Amino acid sequence: ELKVEQNPLFLSMQEGKNYTIYCNYSTTSDRLYWYRQDPGKSLESLFVLLSNGAVKQEGRLMASLDTKARLSTLHITAAVHDLSATYFCAVDRDDKIIFGKGTRLHILP
Amino acid sequence: DTEVTQTPKHLVMGMTNKKSLKCEQHMGHRAMYWYKQKAKKPPELMFVYSYEKLSINESVPSRFSPECPNSSLLNLHLHALQPEDSALYLCASSQGTVFIQPQHFGDGTRLSIL
Repeated sequence: ELKVEQNPLFLSMQEGKNYTIYCNYSTTSDRLYWYRQDPGKSLESLFVLLSNGAVKQEGRLMASLDTKARLSTLHITAAVHDLSATYFCAVDRDDKIIFGKGTRLHILP
Repeated sequence: DTEVTQTPKHLVMGMTNKKSLKCEQHMGHRAMYWYKQKAKKPPELMFVYSYEKLSINESVPSRFSPECPNSSLLNLHLHALQPEDSALYLCASSQGTVFIQPQHFGDGTRLSIL
């Protein structure tokens, strides 16, 4: 059974700091996705990672995938308040897409 | 502005009612998705249409019935829903192959079952 675990589930951090959100999954997959959701809003697709070693960057966010370790990271550089949101990772395998529980990120001014 | 339009934004219905949720996109995307999201939980995939054919059905109860009349439209027909079906229903679309292209999400329909 495919399981996806994120940690931490809640993160409060100061503006200007760096931090990393981790996403572990239980079975082999080469495809991992990151999404952002603002409170009371819909989802936004951030990154699609399709192979081992894939790295993608958008602004202050960088995502990477290590399929051998079954691990993806979402790194936040010099956080700003606008990045406060819930971040989900998701893995797909055999026509199933399973989401992690989400990381609620709160960035303090 | 979202490029995926969902209507209605809010829906309150009784357990014996029949209603439909609608989703429309004009980006030429050939994959369309329905997700259900309960409060403070991750989304759960319900259905996927690829090139207007149902390609994934995640064992969703038959009281939810999807329909894809054409490449731009996706409907979710609701009948005899239960209170636990109250949730945010999200539609998304993407180019080509299912999942591996970035999905564009609508604003969602907030459904309450009385």
